[in-house]
Amino acid sequence: DAGVIQSPRHEVTEMGQEVTLRCKPISGHNSLFWYRQTMMRGLELLIYFNNNVPIDDSGMPEDRFSAKMPNASFSTLKIQPSEPRDSAVYFCASSFGRTLQPQHFGDGTRLSIL
Amino acid sequence: GDSVTQMEGPVTLSEEAFLTINCTYTATGYPSLFWYVQYPGEGLQLLLKATKADDKGSNKGFEATYRKETTSFHLEKGSVQVSDSAVYFCALSDGGSQGNLIFGKGTKLSVKP
Repeated sequence: DAGVIQSPRHEVTEMGQEVTLRCKPISGHNSLFWYRQTMMRGLELLIYFNNNVPIDDSGMPEDRFSAKMPNASFSTLKIQPSEPRDSAVYFCASSFGRTLQPQHFGDGTRLSIL
Repeated sequence: GDSVTQMEGPVTLSEEAFLTINCTYTATGYPSLFWYVQYPGEGLQLLLKATKADDKGSNKGFEATYRKETTSFHLEKGSVQVSDSAVYFCALSDGGSQGNLIFGKGTKLSVKP
């Protein structure tokens, strides 16, 4: 079975540009999570969805960040405008959305903002 | 709120040494506990889990026992290999019904030949 698929794997862009990260969760999973990982802050939960509905977005750094899940098989994380401090690895994970179920992570998008 | 505390790394060991990575937690209720591993350039993947007190999770030679009395879930391996070099994360379920996890900060392990 295909795992969580993220695209692009790498993104390099100039500050001020809009960045869109994409995620396809594992089929049948109904919870989806966006994380950011940096050396300084470690792994941070940005937002998570359950049944396509945002449940907790308290980790979203600021209004420049937005996330959508228009259907059960696709989610986006958008940064507009991007800044150099947004440079990080962004992970998407999905799960069956129950307490005992593990999360399955994608391989991440390495984002560099120049 | 719920939280996870891991020993700070990095941890450097020689091949075949014994490994312990400490993890303690604070939680209301009875969370499930997890260890995840992240190899270089990859996402996190589940290593093992335990769902109730005194449960032992095990996988690939790694073990961890859910200790309610000490609120701990320490990761152990009797003989590490170079291929075990990775970052290890302890996590607990947040008690909600959507599968959210609370992660520790991670412990980097380097195993030298």
